[in-house]
Amino acid sequence: GENVEQHPSTLSVQEGDSAVIKCTYSDSASNYFPWYKQELGKGPQLIIDIRSNVGEKKDQRIAVTLNKTAKHFSLHITETQPEDSAVYFCAAILTNAGGTSYGKLTFGQGTILTVHP
Amino acid sequence: GAGVSQSPRYKVAKRGQDVALRCDPISGHVSLFWYQQALGQGPEFLTYFQNEAQLDKSGLPSDRFFAERPEGSVSTLKIQRTQQEDSAVYLCASSLIADLKETQYFGPGTRLLVL
Repeated sequence: GENVEQHPSTLSVQEGDSAVIKCTYSDSASNYFPWYKQELGKGPQLIIDIRSNVGEKKDQRIAVTLNKTAKHFSLHITETQPEDSAVYFCAAILTNAGGTSYGKLTFGQGTILTVHP
Repeated sequence: GAGVSQSPRYKVAKRGQDVALRCDPISGHVSLFWYQQALGQGPEFLTYFQNEAQLDKSGLPSDRFFAERPEGSVSTLKIQRTQQEDSAVYLCASSLIADLKETQYFGPGTRLLVL
């Protein structure tokens, strides 16, 4: 079925290094790709999103790139800080067989990011 | 302004009990989603409301799960005759308009443990 694959499942970096998380999706009709950060005991928080009419979007230390031809998108965090430690989820809106999705998100499996001081 | 709120934050139920989980979306948000998040996994879609209309319930795992949003604002997810496999975090999200590319804002979730 339609899904989103996310890698790596865990990522450990030193403070100041960059972190990259990659996701692939199966539905070529997908056109909205958000990234969420989830801290322990909290709900997912949107950190950045990208729509299919652009290939890259940046917000301070966070950037997302999208390759629609290859059907993959990536999250880049530069100058990582200990407070970036959390679980990160990519997501996409995948249309069902009938072509409607009402905006429901299909999430990747998550990446546990640990930033060591 | 206030975000999405959910109550209770934690619920322990004995197997076979019925539970009701509440979601208060951001005021004025048209769309409301329920997701289920198992331990160590990403959230999975359960059901979707546009105002008071339940337009998609394809993710509900069984007929023991029921959701409503009678006045187009607060929503309740009810689970009847709870089973151990129902243990998970139940997340509610809302978005301002019914658009496929509209940002969804999540609540803190209700952590359900069925013993």
